[in-house]
Amino acid sequence: QKEVEQDPGPLSVPEGAIVSLNCTYSNSAFQYFMWYRQYSRKGPELLMYTYSSGNKEDGRFTAQVDKSSKYISLFIRDSQPSDSATYLCAMKGSSGSARQLTFGSGTQLTVLP
Amino acid sequence: DTAVSQTPKYLVTQMGNDKSIKCEQNLGHDTMYWYKQDSKKFLKIMFSYNNKELIINETVPNRFSPKSPDKAHLNLHINSLELGDSAVYFCASSRDDGRDEQFFGPGTRLTVL
Repeated sequence: QKEVEQDPGPLSVPEGAIVSLNCTYSNSAFQYFMWYRQYSRKGPELLMYTYSSGNKEDGRFTAQVDKSSKYISLFIRDSQPSDSATYLCAMKGSSGSARQLTFGSGTQLTVLP
Repeated sequence: DTAVSQTPKYLVTQMGNDKSIKCEQNLGHDTMYWYKQDSKKFLKIMFSYNNKELIINETVPNRFSPKSPDKAHLNLHINSLELGDSAVYFCASSRDDGRDEQFFGPGTRLTVL
């Protein structure tokens, strides 16, 4: 079993829809949680960074962390065609095996105009 | 102003050859990384390196070796290339502040024939 599980999709939604992307993890040492966005043939770019359980909002994006369930989510409101990309969750801890950033396999999202 | 740059962008070579990929960052970061992304978009760390420590992922064959001439550069040398080495290789960098917000380069698409 992988340390971080992410539904690969592909996920296709109409413009304006609310998108929910999710990851589960097994390593309780993970403390820092991130979402990266990767456009086709480009490098990943950091979208959201969270530390504690709860919600963090940035514009149309909301990152949610539930450490008790080992579950993180990224919500995209009013999705736009420009949001079409692969979204990768990533997480790390402070020590031991969790010290290196561990990525999910990515969810490919297409927002249709 | 490119924060993390890699050369070349594309690399096509024959099995058995030795090749290098160069990476430079102008962010003043202390830590640099090499990642391998396979055809299913799974991003896996290969090395992380700063002035103090080189951390090697145990699953990386010793045909792969990072070389850092200075803090702003981390090159990747690959000896005796194999078909399975075909992938996209990403360089990344981060501050040495524990948060590990990583900034990625554009990637080098390596094809081994």
